[in-house]
Amino acid sequence: KQEVTQIPAALSVPEGENLVLNCSFTDSAIYNLQWFRQDPGKGLTSLLLIQSSQREQTSGRLNASLDKSSGRSTLYIAASQPGDSATYLCAVRRWNFGNEKLTFGTGTRLTIIP
Amino acid sequence: NAGVTQTPKFQVLKTGQSMTLQCAQDMNHEYMSWYRQDPGMGLRLIHYSVGAGITDQGEVPNGYNVSRSTTEDFPLRLLSAAPSQTSVYFCASNPRGHTEAFFGQGTRLTVV
Repeated sequence: KQEVTQIPAALSVPEGENLVLNCSFTDSAIYNLQWFRQDPGKGLTSLLLIQSSQREQTSGRLNASLDKSSGRSTLYIAASQPGDSATYLCAVRRWNFGNEKLTFGTGTRLTIIP
Repeated sequence: NAGVTQTPKFQVLKTGQSMTLQCAQDMNHEYMSWYRQDPGMGLRLIHYSVGAGITDQGEVPNGYNVSRSTTEDFPLRLLSAAPSQTSVYFCASNPRGHTEAFFGQGTRLTVV
């Protein structure tokens, strides 16, 4: 059974710093990995999608990497801003049968201190 | 383009009542799913559908029913609400082909 872990559960950093969020998964037979942002009381906003054949994806100040063999992904946020404060979730999609399902981590709650 | 729309946004039920959470998408996506989000447990899959007329159980299906009569709609029915079903419910959709999943804004359900 796929398990997805995000450590730490919470992180506080001063504004302007670069930071890395971690996501690990136990079954490397994934099709893709997706990073989401969730603001308090809100839905999930997709940030980046990395296919299993890719090593990284970039969008603005965000860069996500994927190492399938080690079961790890990182989300790098450059020059953090108070507006980046949110919970960040990663989710993996299975390679074969069951690929319609996402398995989620429990998230990292990020606070950017002005 | 509305994306994935969930109604209602908030709901309070008494134990034993039934209700339907609505989910609609206007992107012609084949795959639709329902998840529940509980503190410390992440999002867990309740039921999913790979197309009209086709549904299947996810990780935590007990107490919930679904049907998919059209591509656009995927309602989730609580047959007899229990306090353990207090949660935030999210509907998601994505096209066939392992692409990006899109989520609704969620329904916060409290069962008293």
